[in-house]
Amino acid sequence: KAGVTQTPRYLIKTRGQQVTLSCSPISGHRSVSWYQQTPGQGLQFLFEYFSETQRNKGNFPGRFSGRQFSNSRSEMNVSTLELGDSALYLCASSRDRKETQYFGPGTRLLVL
Amino acid sequence: AQSVTQLGSHVSVSEGALVLLRCNYSSSVPPYLFWYVQYPNQGLQLLLKYTTGATLVKGINGFEAEFKKSETSFHLTKPSAHMSDAAEYFCAVSDRATDDMRFGAGTRLTVKP
Repeated sequence: KAGVTQTPRYLIKTRGQQVTLSCSPISGHRSVSWYQQTPGQGLQFLFEYFSETQRNKGNFPGRFSGRQFSNSRSEMNVSTLELGDSALYLCASSRDRKETQYFGPGTRLLVL
Repeated sequence: AQSVTQLGSHVSVSEGALVLLRCNYSSSVPPYLFWYVQYPNQGLQLLLKYTTGATLVKGINGFEAEFKKSETSFHLTKPSAHMSDAAEYFCAVSDRATDDMRFGAGTRLTVKP
């Protein structure tokens, strides 16, 4: 069974731009969560989607948004990028909301 | 609100020595508990988890962890370290009611030959 895939793996943007990251969960998984990982703040929860609905949201500004499609694939968008948005963005999927999460390899975003 | 504390951001052991990575949590009710490992340039891989039942949990790669409610701890151990165990390890807790998941700051394990 294929694991969680994230595209792109690496991305370079400049301040003020916007970016969209994609996550394809494991087949049959309906829950997708997003995390931001930085050296200073560690792993921080962004949001969770289940059956196309946002079920949980972390403490991030409104510039961070996401959505989930009917096939459970998810995208997250960051608008008006800031230098501090440089991070590894991890996506995790699970069969159901209380099931174990399986992580993708991440998208490393560098904002210049 | 629940929180996770990993004691020691860096741990160094010799190959063959015992690995002990410490994790303490703060929660009003016992949460679900997890240990994940992250190798360079990769995502997180689940090592083991505790949800209910036996408090000693065995995971992959010879790791195990014991849930101690009285100490609010979930320390990770491995009897004999291998070079391939060098990685960053994260303890995480998930609230049973809200599914809110929090990660510790991580512990970087170095294994010396």
